[in-house]
Amino acid sequence: NAGVTQTPKFQVLKTGQSMTLQCAQDMNHEYMSWYRQDPGMGLRLIHYSVGAGITDQGEVPNGYNVSRSTTEDFPLRLLSAAPSQTSVYFCASNSRAVSSGQPQHFGDGTRLSIL
Amino acid sequence: GNSVTQMEGPVTLSEEAFLTINCTYTATGYPSLFWYVQYPGEGLQLLLKATKADDKGSNKGFEATYRKETTSFHLEKGSVQVSDSAVYFCALTLWQKVTFGTGTKLQVIP
Repeated sequence: NAGVTQTPKFQVLKTGQSMTLQCAQDMNHEYMSWYRQDPGMGLRLIHYSVGAGITDQGEVPNGYNVSRSTTEDFPLRLLSAAPSQTSVYFCASNSRAVSSGQPQHFGDGTRLSIL
Repeated sequence: GNSVTQMEGPVTLSEEAFLTINCTYTATGYPSLFWYVQYPGEGLQLLLKATKADDKGSNKGFEATYRKETTSFHLEKGSVQVSDSAVYFCALTLWQKVTFGTGTKLQVIP
């Protein structure tokens, strides 16, 4: 009963480095999303996907790339890390459109620090 | 755009006290409304939801009613426990977009 699995749980990067945050779900969910959580700002949507091969931008997409080659995986790439990207990142999935009232299932998050 | 406004925290209550966390929203359409809970070091978990006006969501003693006329979805619990200490997020969904409030930290002391 894995649900949504995020790796790594913690990461420290230097400014300018690149990395990929991994997200995998085993519930055969079509919809997946990436959020960042910052103090006093709640969760903000970075990118989302409504199925394999389909992605779209959320509220704060700059500096991040995503791809969705399989139903299970939805990696988030930081192209050139900046201190402003220090945050906690959450991946979420849901079986149908959230507008249908279906809740999202969240991973435990990745704490990322950019020095 | 859509927005969700929650009362600022932290909220500190004694065990067995009554809890209310206010949530109001603005949306261009008819959203579904959710409360999520986040325990330390974990992701968000669904607490309860309501998908249309006048629906009441309930779970683990928590309740919230979808009030279209006041655009509100306040979270209530009659008697809180120490184990309820967490951060609570109100959220709305419209199409595939989810909008979260900023979260309200609840601390329950014995």
